[in-house]
Amino acid sequence: AQKVTQAQTEISVVEKEDVTLDCVYETRDTTYYLFWYKQPPSGELVFLIRRNSFDEQNEISGRYSWNFQKSTSSFNFTITASQVVDSAVYFCALSEPNAGNMLTFGGGTRLMVKP
Amino acid sequence: KAGVTQTPRYLIKTRGQQVTLSCSPISGHRSVSWYQQTPGQGLQFLFEYFSETQRNKGNFPGRFSGRQFSNSRSEMNVSTLELGDSALYLCASSLTVGQGEAFFGQGTRLTVV
Repeated sequence: AQKVTQAQTEISVVEKEDVTLDCVYETRDTTYYLFWYKQPPSGELVFLIRRNSFDEQNEISGRYSWNFQKSTSSFNFTITASQVVDSAVYFCALSEPNAGNMLTFGGGTRLMVKP
Repeated sequence: KAGVTQTPRYLIKTRGQQVTLSCSPISGHRSVSWYQQTPGQGLQFLFEYFSETQRNKGNFPGRFSGRQFSNSRSEMNVSTLELGDSALYLCASSLTVGQGEAFFGQGTRLTVV
């Protein structure tokens, strides 16, 4: 069965610091997708990125970057030069094509960026 | 284009009552999934509908049910409400099945008293 672990429940940083959110996953499938979502206080889950299991290239989008390592089953998320608006709960998730669109979520990491 | 719309946003019900929540997916999306979010259990998958058929179901009791209409709109129903059903219920919209990419609505916050 699939499982996603986000060991950091809460992280507090000062604005402009870099921060990395960890995500470790378990799956028996060779084909799967990994995601990161952001949940601001409004409650909506905002899609940040999807990565398939065959693409281990790291990705950068502005201040966000993702490091996918199959060897350690990790998909970590780094925010560079954090801002107060980055404060939210971040979720890592996994899906397997044979399970439709079902997402298995980690427990989430609450990020607090202080001015 | 419009995002995922969930109604109502907030709901207060009494134990033993039933409730129906609604979700309108992004135009053109045919898959709708539902999730329950609680502080204790986190985000848990309830069920997924595609082309009016339930494709997948999470580990929830039969009191939780859903359906999808021909226009892809979906409803979920919870009967005989319990205090533990208090949660944020999130709906996710996907274009098709098997790619996993999902876009979420703002959720319905249900409080059972």
